[in-house]
Amino acid sequence: QKEVEQNSGPLSVPEGAIASLNCTYSDRGSQSFFWYRQYSGKSPELIMFIYSNGDKEDGRFTAQLNKASQYVSLLIRDSQPSDSATYLCAVTNSGYALNFGKGTSLLVTP
Amino acid sequence: DADVTQTPRNRITKTGKRIMLECSQTKGHDRMYWYRQDPGLGLRLIYYSFDVKDINKGEISDGYSVSRQAQAKFSLSLESAIPNQTALYFCATSDLSSGSDEQFFGPGTRLTVL
Repeated sequence: QKEVEQNSGPLSVPEGAIASLNCTYSDRGSQSFFWYRQYSGKSPELIMFIYSNGDKEDGRFTAQLNKASQYVSLLIRDSQPSDSATYLCAVTNSGYALNFGKGTSLLVTP
Repeated sequence: DADVTQTPRNRITKTGKRIMLECSQTKGHDRMYWYRQDPGLGLRLIYYSFDVKDINKGEISDGYSVSRQAQAKFSLSLESAIPNQTALYFCATSDLSSGSDEQFFGPGTRLTVL
């Protein structure tokens, strides 16, 4: 069973702070890594993807990948109340279906 | 118009009824997926199809069947619905030729089995 693990939260951060979301995975053959954001009752939407070790930045979001440690994270800088959602980590051995974690609930308090 | 559509958006049915959930896409993607989502359990893959003639079981296929009628259409059937199939169901698509495994999700179907 290929596992993708996330802390369910909720993770509570004050407005303007950095939110750090973490994900570990068990399949060493994994090559593609995704972060999706999902508001309650809505469909997941892609925030970031990363394929190579290191950091990838897009606006307020930074994805970090460490394949040796089988660890991927998402940092959200200057967190806003509108960032309050569930964040899903997804992993795949390229060409196969995504394997999703159970998600981390983030609450940004004004 | 939305790129990935699902019908119906909400459905309430009774135990033992046959139910079909439909998914259509205008993105021209070759790959399509069905997931269910339950509180605290994340997204679990039911079936996936990499092209019209390729259907694969996912993690939780028991009690479900699918049909890929065309590249743009992928239907999920519950032959005899049971209450523990009450969940939020998502269809998703991806494009092999893009070189990315990114999946695009439909709006979801909320199914309640009484």
